[in-house]
Amino acid sequence: AQSVTQLGSHVSVSEGALVLLRCNYSSSVPPYLFWYVQYPNQGLQLLLKYTTGATLVKGINGFEAEFKKSETSFHLTKPSAHMSDAAEYFCAVVPDTGRRALTFGSGTRLQVQP
Amino acid sequence: EAQVTQNPRYLITVTGKKLTVTCSQNMNHEYMSWYRQDPGLGLRQIYYSMNVEVTDKGDVPEGYKVSRKEKRNFPLILESPSPNQTSLYFCASTQGLAGHYEQFFGPGTRLTVL
Repeated sequence: AQSVTQLGSHVSVSEGALVLLRCNYSSSVPPYLFWYVQYPNQGLQLLLKYTTGATLVKGINGFEAEFKKSETSFHLTKPSAHMSDAAEYFCAVVPDTGRRALTFGSGTRLQVQP
Repeated sequence: EAQVTQNPRYLITVTGKKLTVTCSQNMNHEYMSWYRQDPGLGLRQIYYSMNVEVTDKGDVPEGYKVSRKEKRNFPLILESPSPNQTSLYFCASTQGLAGHYEQFFGPGTRLTVL
């Protein structure tokens, strides 16, 4: 089974609208969850991560994500989209304890319409 | 500035012509890895290295080689490239366990094999 699944390969929102990018993970993976962003022609940048503690995690650029164990979800949200948020977003998990690598979802490309 | 560098950034080559993509990090990280990114598949790990002279296969190692003779460098070698290796490649490094330490990514190398 896939360790991490991102629903929707493309999401389009209007500037100022709510951004919701979905990520579900396998219940068998350790509870370490990440969101990365990739701007055009750039590498990956860590947006936020959940490892322990508060289930609502705040990241950079106004993004946040909530770890919901009962739903095995870690959806990424931002209350008001900005044109500069247009990018590809990847959810990632640690596939098993002791690993140093991440397993990535297939990515969601976010378009922001003016 | 802490960073991971890759060279070249863009490369077009022909089938069967050996090539090397270099990766270097200045953070004294023990763990380094290579990923390839393909549309709809996210990032998949090719090879990783836990330390100097210690390397192992990731999820998609076929057709690739690596070496780790120095802590800071982790080159990716394609002995006989084929068109199915056309992809975007990322090098990454981290201090330790994926759940606790951030992975730092290079800017990417876009490879086209004709």
